[in-house]
Amino acid sequence: EAGVTQFPSHSVIEKGQTVTLRCDPISGHDNLYWYRRVMGKEIKFLLHFVKESKQDESGMPNNRFLAERTGGTYSTLKVQPAELEDSGVYFCASSQVGKESTEAFFGQGTRLTVV
Amino acid sequence: AQSVTQLDSQVPVFEEAPVELRCNYSSSVSVYLFWYVQYPNQGLQLLLKYLSGSTLVESINGFEAEFNKSQTSFHLREPSVHISDTAEYFCAVSERTGNQFYFGTGTSLTVIP
Repeated sequence: EAGVTQFPSHSVIEKGQTVTLRCDPISGHDNLYWYRRVMGKEIKFLLHFVKESKQDESGMPNNRFLAERTGGTYSTLKVQPAELEDSGVYFCASSQVGKESTEAFFGQGTRLTVV
Repeated sequence: AQSVTQLDSQVPVFEEAPVELRCNYSSSVSVYLFWYVQYPNQGLQLLLKYLSGSTLVESINGFEAEFNKSQTSFHLREPSVHISDTAEYFCAVSERTGNQFYFGTGTSLTVIP
């Protein structure tokens, strides 16, 4: 069975450009999470989907970030326009409802570099 | 809110030596505790977790961690490290009724031949 898949693995963009990150959760996992790690800092929660609905987006840094999960399957995280401080590794995780953290699986992450 | 402290950002250790990676947390509610590992060029993988029961939990590759409620700690130990254990280790907590992880800043373990 495929794990959580993230695309691309790396992205280098210029300040002001737009980037879209994609996450494909494990099939059947209604919970989908986005996290981010800025260099040297802790991995921080961004938001949580249950199916296509945003359950908690308290960690989204500002309105330049837009997350979607149309159809309740894969999710995209768009950054527009990107700023230098958006650089970091973006992780996606998924789990079944009822096993939010006890059985969560993470993807490989997307390393975003804004220059 | 919860917080997790990993005081050691980098830990170099010789092969076959023991190592302890420290983790302390702050929480006003009951939590689950986790250690995740990120090997070079790979994603986050669950190493071990404490949900309930015995306070000593073990991974399949020899690591162990002990939940100490009075000291709010969940230190990770390995009695004899291998080169392949070189990785970044993250301690995390989640509320038992919550839905997100709170991570520490990570400890980079480097095993020296």
